[in-house]
Amino acid sequence: NAGVMQNPRHLVRRRGQEARLRCSPMKGHSHVYWYRQLPEEGLKFMVYLQKENIIDESGMPKERFSAEFPKEGPSILRIQQVVRGDSAAYFCASSRNSGGSTDTQYFGPGTRLTVL
Amino acid sequence: DAKTTQPTSMDCAEGRAANLPCNHSTISGNEYVYWYRQIHSQGPQYIIHGLKNNETNEMASLIITEDRKSSTLILPHATLRDTAVYYCIVRAISGGSNYKLTFGKGTLLTVNP
Repeated sequence: NAGVMQNPRHLVRRRGQEARLRCSPMKGHSHVYWYRQLPEEGLKFMVYLQKENIIDESGMPKERFSAEFPKEGPSILRIQQVVRGDSAAYFCASSRNSGGSTDTQYFGPGTRLTVL
Repeated sequence: DAKTTQPTSMDCAEGRAANLPCNHSTISGNEYVYWYRQIHSQGPQYIIHGLKNNETNEMASLIITEDRKSSTLILPHATLRDTAVYYCIVRAISGGSNYKLTFGKGTLLTVNP
C-alpha cells in the first residue's frame, strides 16, 4: 500500500512565477491536509480539504495561495507570484476520516520549494 | 489543544533504550497524546498515540502517567536510523479543529555509535 505521494520533491522558481505542488493521498484516504515548514521552524497547518471541498483554509495566506482536491486526481497547492519568503518545505498529509479518535494523519515526503 | 514541553535535545547510545519525555500538564480528558518523528529532510512519520493506557507497537512504547500530565516515548533498542526530531503532540479526540496538528520544536534525538 503506497504511502502519501508528493511531487515534485524539489521545485525551483524565480520570483513572480507560479508553483504547483501535488499530493496523492494514501489509498482509501479522502482527507488531505497541507502543512508548511519554514527553515528552522516547526510545521504549520495551512489547509484541510476533502474531495471537492475546502474545509478549513485558516492557516493559508489569503493572497496568492490556493488549494484544491478535485473529484479525480491529486490535491494541488498553488502559489502564484512566488516571493523569496515562500521558500519552504510543503508537506501533505492524509487520513481516512477526520475528527474521530483514531484518524491518524500520514505525511508525504514533502516538496522543497526554493524561490530565487 | 494543550501545550507540550520537551527537552531540546538528547543523546542515546546505539542499542540502548531511548526514553523521550514530554510534559503536557494542561491536557484535558478528551485529548490524545501523539508522537511523530522527522528524520532530516523527510516528512513527519507517525509513531504512536494513546489516551491513558500504555501503548506499544512495532516501533515504540508510550507510557502515560496516571494523572496524564506527562508521557514518555520509549525506543527499546535505538539504532543510528532513529536519529531524528521527535514531536509530542496533544490532540483533541473530536470536535473543533482537532485535525490541526500543532508541532512544537520537538526533541532532537541523536543516536551515537
